[in-house]
Amino acid sequence: RKEVEQDPGPFNVPEGATVAFNCTYSNSASQSFFWYRQDCRKEPKLLMSVYSSGNEDGRFTAQLNRASQYISLLIRDSKLSDSATYLCVVHYGPGKLIFGQGTTLQVKP
Amino acid sequence: GAVVSQHPSWVICKSGTSVKIECRSLDFQATTMFWYRQFPKQSLMLMATSNEGSKATYEQGVEKDKFLINHASLTLSTLTVTSAHPEDSSFYICSARGLDSTDTQYFGPGTRLTVL
Repeated sequence: RKEVEQDPGPFNVPEGATVAFNCTYSNSASQSFFWYRQDCRKEPKLLMSVYSSGNEDGRFTAQLNRASQYISLLIRDSKLSDSATYLCVVHYGPGKLIFGQGTTLQVKP
Repeated sequence: GAVVSQHPSWVICKSGTSVKIECRSLDFQATTMFWYRQFPKQSLMLMATSNEGSKATYEQGVEKDKFLINHASLTLSTLTVTSAHPEDSSFYICSARGLDSTDTQYFGPGTRLTVL
């Protein structure tokens, strides 16, 4: 079983749609969780951290369920510029980040 | 925000040659730098963790004699791919963690290596 699992997609959605990505992780000792965004041929950029209480940043909402070892990202009112690959990232040890395969989102006009 | 640079951004080399990639933290001091590799349509895979002034810690399956890492200062780490072969062609990305030792890592823009 992979340490961090994501549905690779692609998710093809129209502008304005709401889309949700899910991620599961295998190590219950994981300490921190993040969503990163990666554009084609670019480095990943931190989108947001994920907290147990859930957190929201504009159109983006992230949630963590430690009991189920499950992380989600919700994007509301999708924009064309949201098209990218979204990486679920789990922090395991001193600085060790484990990346999921990523979920590709294509927002169509 | 913290800025990490990588040089070169892309390199094409012949099989058997060695390639050095530099990773620099431009506006902060990085006690720890990380080297990742990403093959097409795959996730980033951690290759090694580099601590300033000490030997790098390599992940399982990564050959330390092939991927030489040097972290001589708090702002510079280098990765040398020795005797590169076509299967080493990949996107190499470094990241740096600051002295505040939070979980946040700042990523460099990556180096695309193509070995002919």
